[in-house]
Amino acid sequence: GEDVEQSLFLSVREGDSSVINCTYTDSSSTYLYWYKQEPGAGLQLLTYIFSNMDMKQDQRLTVLLNKKDKHLSLRIADTQTGDSAIYFCAETGGYQKVTFGTGTKLQVIP
Amino acid sequence: DAGVTQSPTHLIKTRGQQVTLRCSPKSGHDTVSWYQQALGQGPQFIFQYYEEEERQRGNFPDRFSGHQFPNYSSELNVNALLLGDSALYLCASSVVYKAGSPLHFGNGTRLTVT
Repeated sequence: GEDVEQSLFLSVREGDSSVINCTYTDSSSTYLYWYKQEPGAGLQLLTYIFSNMDMKQDQRLTVLLNKKDKHLSLRIADTQTGDSAIYFCAETGGYQKVTFGTGTKLQVIP
Repeated sequence: DAGVTQSPTHLIKTRGQQVTLRCSPKSGHDTVSWYQQALGQGPQFIFQYYEEEERQRGNFPDRFSGHQFPNYSSELNVNALLLGDSALYLCASSVVYKAGSPLHFGNGTRLTVT
């Protein structure tokens, strides 16, 4: 079945870049997403990428996709304290259910 | 433009009881999915509703059931509650005809079973 894995924790200093990594197993994954969850809240869509793309940039966010290795990363430039949250990687084959990773907790140190 | 709204925000129930959670999708969305998020875990897919029918289901027992109404809003029902059902229940909406249409989430209902 589908599986999405992420490291549990990442700590960076304010102003540095953060890189959150994700690996997935489903070779039919067509769409890959990054969501952000702050304490007590639902999931906020940050960005997403289609599998026919290698990279997508959206302001401070850069998504890199290595389809051969089934590896997805999210880079946050100039990380701010407001970026502290849990980040979820997710994938789907299209119209089917979306499978989420266990989340990476990002701690930004002032 | 209202996003996904869920009610109630918090709920405390006793083992064996039944609970109903409600969701209104984002304007323009026609598909509703429900997810269970246990503490420290990622969301787990429960089921998806489109055109008032359950289209796909995750690995959850029949105690979990749902409904979608003609206005696209949805309910999640859980019978015979267990302590392990304590979690954040998230509703997400999307557009069925648009492949890869991202899920838009509500803020969830925090269910505590005692």
